[in-house]
Amino acid sequence: DAGVTQTPRHEVAEKGQTIILKCEPVSGHNDLFWYRQTKIQGLELLSYFRSKSLMEDGGAFKDRFKAEMLNSSFSTLKIQPTEPKDSAVYLCASSSGGDTQYFGPGTRLLVL
Amino acid sequence: QQQVRQSPQSLTVWEGETAILNCSYEDSTFNYFPWYQQFPGEGPALLISISSVSDKKEDGRFTIFFNKREKKLSLHITDSQPGDSATYFCAASIGQGGSAKLIFGEGTKLTVSS
Repeated sequence: DAGVTQTPRHEVAEKGQTIILKCEPVSGHNDLFWYRQTKIQGLELLSYFRSKSLMEDGGAFKDRFKAEMLNSSFSTLKIQPTEPKDSAVYLCASSSGGDTQYFGPGTRLLVL
Repeated sequence: QQQVRQSPQSLTVWEGETAILNCSYEDSTFNYFPWYQQFPGEGPALLISISSVSDKKEDGRFTIFFNKREKKLSLHITDSQPGDSATYFCAASIGQGGSAKLIFGEGTKLTVSS
């Protein structure tokens, strides 16, 4: 079975741009998570979907970050507008509703 | 407020030694504790996990020791190998049936020197 797929692997954006990151979860998984990873803050949850319903939207990330599940096998994370402090690795993970989350390789975002 | 804490932030051991990574938590409702291993350029991957009904979980060279009373756990890596060099994250959740959300610690970067 294919694991979690994320595209692009690397993204460079100018401040103020809109960027869209993509994620394909493991086939059959009902739970999908978006995380941001930085050296200082570690792994921070941005959004959590269960069966395409938004369960958690990450509080502090609400204003410029919007995650969507367009169908059970595809999710996007939109950052609008981007700021330099958004530079980080964005990770997508999926789960079958059990305890193990399977992570994708991440998208490394650099905002200039 | 950080609910899961890890120490040390970084650790260096010699090949063949035992590495001990520590983790503590605050929320007594947590009952599932996975450890994830992450190599540079990759996403974290589940290494080993334990539920709160057990005090020890072993998988090859990796062992979790769990102290529910003190809300502490530790990951022991025996006979450490250079290939074990990675960042290790302790996480916690309330397990199956409840929220699948994991709370991650800050991570411990392990370097195994040969």
